[in-house]
Amino acid sequence: AQSVAQPEDQVNVAEGNPLTVKCTYSVSGNPYLFWYVQYPNRGLQFLLKYITGDNLVKGSYGFEAEFNKSQTSFHLKKPSALVSDSALYFCAVRDIRDTDKLIFGTGTRLQVFP
Amino acid sequence: DAGVIQSPRHEVTEMGQEVTLRCKPISGHNSLFWYRQTMMRGLELLIYFNNNVPIDDSGMPEDRFSAKMPNASFSTLKIQPSEPRDSAVYFCASSRLSGSYNEQFFGPGTRLTVL
Repeated sequence: AQSVAQPEDQVNVAEGNPLTVKCTYSVSGNPYLFWYVQYPNRGLQFLLKYITGDNLVKGSYGFEAEFNKSQTSFHLKKPSALVSDSALYFCAVRDIRDTDKLIFGTGTRLQVFP
Repeated sequence: DAGVIQSPRHEVTEMGQEVTLRCKPISGHNSLFWYRQTMMRGLELLIYFNNNVPIDDSGMPEDRFSAKMPNASFSTLKIQPSEPRDSAVYFCASSRLSGSYNEQFFGPGTRLTVL
């Protein structure tokens, strides 16, 4: 079965420190992977995606993600966290059986402390 | 671009009442998705349309839920009759139809409370 897993419900980081939000996937074939962010009382916003090519993908707000095929991971990273990065982050993978659909993870709440 | 527009932003109703949620997708997008988000169940896809045609409604909880897309710029999600367990945030999202890798753009959501 296809799925994405976000093993951490919450990640706490001090402002200025690097952050990592983890995501692993289970898909047969080549995965199309996405990261979204949800700020309080807002809809999900697209951050970045991996389709093919360079394993390091750069996205909005200084975020990047590294695709690792051998570890089936797509971790979201940022070199220096901001308090304003505090939000709920979702990893998603394209459903290969129905490529219009996304399969979302359960979300990871990122808390950046000043 | 105004983005995906949803109305109302908040809806409070009593059990048994009919609720209608509305969505206007981004112009030029021809796929539209309805999601529901709750603390217990996370983000669930209810139904989606391609070119105004419902493609997959397997996520619709039960017959009390129905969705329509009469034209490319408007969709509704209706709950009749509503129940307290329907309380959630309902999101509409749209994307360009490609069957491949286009990202979905989400609206701000409608927070529904059924008393």
